[in-house]
Amino acid sequence: GEDVEQSLFLSVREGDSSVINCTYTDSSSTYLYWYKQEPGAGLQLLTYIFSNMDMKQDQRLTVLLNKKDKHLSLRIADTQTGDSAIYFCAVSGYSTLTFGKGTMLLVSP
Amino acid sequence: NAGVTQTPKFRVLKTGQSMTLLCAQDMNHEYMYWYRQDPGMGLRLIHYSVGEGTTAKGEVPDGYNVSRLKKQNFLLGLESAAPSQTSVYFCASSEGPGIGGYTFGSGTRLTVV
Repeated sequence: GEDVEQSLFLSVREGDSSVINCTYTDSSSTYLYWYKQEPGAGLQLLTYIFSNMDMKQDQRLTVLLNKKDKHLSLRIADTQTGDSAIYFCAVSGYSTLTFGKGTMLLVSP
Repeated sequence: NAGVTQTPKFRVLKTGQSMTLLCAQDMNHEYMYWYRQDPGMGLRLIHYSVGEGTTAKGEVPDGYNVSRLKKQNFLLGLESAAPSQTSVYFCASSEGPGIGGYTFGSGTRLTVV
């Protein structure tokens, strides 16, 4: 089945850019998503990209998709302490999404 | 617009007890899902449903049963709880496979002692 891999931890300073990376195995995935989970809460959809796109920008968020390398990244510009959370990459399959294990982003003042 | 509502939010069970977790969505979504989240394991799919009256097994279905008698509700049952089922359970719904992403509930924290 589909396998989605993410690095587990990223630490940045407030005001820097953060880049969270994700690799996946199923090249037929049509939709690719980024979710954010704050402590004690459910997952919140941040943004998504269709597989026929290379880049999508949404305010401070930029998603890059390299289909050849099956690599997805999320860039957060001007990272704030409120961005501290776990970020999940997810890719669409036949009936369900497959999630990575999540990257914990820690933003220090 | 409530989205996806899970009840209860917290529960402590003794080993061998049974319980049902309720998930309700008001978005008229066809697809519904139950996940469990454990430290270091990410989200693992337990069961899912592609429409009223349907259910299917996910990655970790053993020890759980589900029912989708009404389109807006998806129930997760534990017939005989075990300590290994201590986890945070999330319900989600979507319009279709991957379409629009999932909307998640806020979770149920279950402890089995």
